[in-house]
Amino acid sequence: GESVGLHLPTLSVQEGDNSIINCAYSNSASDYFIWYKQESGKGPQFIIDIRSNMDKRQGQRVTVLLNKTVKHLSLQIAATQPGDSAVYFCAERGRDDKIIFGKGTRLHILP
Amino acid sequence: NAGVMQNPRHLVRRRGQEARLRCSPMKGHSHVYWYRQLPEEGLKFMVYLQKENIIDESGMPKERFSAEFPKEGPSILRIQQVVRGDSAAYFCASFPTRGDEKLFFGSGTQLSVL
Repeated sequence: GESVGLHLPTLSVQEGDNSIINCAYSNSASDYFIWYKQESGKGPQFIIDIRSNMDKRQGQRVTVLLNKTVKHLSLQIAATQPGDSAVYFCAERGRDDKIIFGKGTRLHILP
Repeated sequence: NAGVMQNPRHLVRRRGQEARLRCSPMKGHSHVYWYRQLPEEGLKFMVYLQKENIIDESGMPKERFSAEFPKEGPSILRIQQVVRGDSAAYFCASFPTRGDEKLFFGSGTQLSVL
């Protein structure tokens, strides 16, 4: 099966609050990790990536944290907006260069 | 710069027919992945192609499924003798070179088998 998994299938967050989406991976040889956002009826859209030689990377309103010790990846979204409603996937590139995806977390924004 | 183009957007086939899904990568991209997605699930890796080469097809069933990425033209995912279980969304993603694996996805083809 896939080696990338997620802790929560659904996350509900108040508009304006920060969102944290978590991801566990099992392949310690993975060297590249990516977060994607998928809106209903669309293809996944790249959000942010991080290589295994880093533990933190920031983008616009998003931050990815990588903890290689516990094989954990998280995506933080600051000041969550209604447009952030989507399914979020983490993905990893393993030793064989394949990029594999986890099952996803649905982010639901409460008004 | 056009993104990854997939067509058709929706494809309906009866059991036993063939399905052909096309993917034109972004300009300058010579690597393509195909993924399959069932409702409320993640993307399952099927095949990784470079122009004129199959790099990894370990996620693709050995029978009925084939993929190609010719020197000219789009990448094709072909499913022969479709069955109801083949119904899914099929996504194609491309990237330019190894070492720059930021995947750009198409909008997918929704295959429905009657």
